[in-house]
Amino acid sequence: EPEVTQTPSHQVTQMGQEVILRCVPISNHLYFYWYRQILGQKVEFLVSFYNNEISEKSEIFDDQFSVERPDGSNFTLKIRSTKLEDSAMYFCASSSLAGALNEQFFGPGTRLTVL
Amino acid sequence: RKEVEQDPGPFNVPEGATVAFNCTYSNSASQSFFWYRQDCRKEPKLLMSVYSSGNEDGRFTAQLNRASQYISLLIRDSKLSDSATYLCVVPTQRGGNKLTFGTGTQLKVEL
Repeated sequence: EPEVTQTPSHQVTQMGQEVILRCVPISNHLYFYWYRQILGQKVEFLVSFYNNEISEKSEIFDDQFSVERPDGSNFTLKIRSTKLEDSAMYFCASSSLAGALNEQFFGPGTRLTVL
Repeated sequence: RKEVEQDPGPFNVPEGATVAFNCTYSNSASQSFFWYRQDCRKEPKLLMSVYSSGNEDGRFTAQLNRASQYISLLIRDSKLSDSATYLCVVPTQRGGNKLTFGTGTQLKVEL
């Protein structure tokens, strides 16, 4: 069964450093997403991406964040200068179609720890 | 009213019990809804979709009450493996496809 993969599974970084979280969405999917979940809190939407551009982003997704699809398979989330409050689980998701009826498949997540 | 609201629980039930969770949503224009399951420190996984009045899949039944803006999830004959957090999820109707998650309801099924 096709699945979304993410690397690394755990990333530890110092405050102020840049991190890049990597995702490989399901191969025939066209819509890609990043969500985050701070420990003990709910899953929060960060950004959606389609046709090589951002289609929607949340208030959390400020200038410190960027996304990119550098090739035909990878989808990355970059945090330019990490803060302590960026510590969270980051989930990548993908879907084959647009619309509210379409299922988003989630990757296993990257746990980011900012020290 | 919060966009998506759930009772966080935990619900502690014996094996074989029937348990129900409710979720309320604020956007009356929402047309479809999802229940996701999340195990500890794992990714959310789709359990059921709800588009009309309800949906049933084996031991799981989801119902939608548009007038009162709530969705319910019923689990019959609960098993130890059902222990998890159940997330009520509302997608937006716009092209961005943002999913709005509730905080989740924790279920613990005990012997």
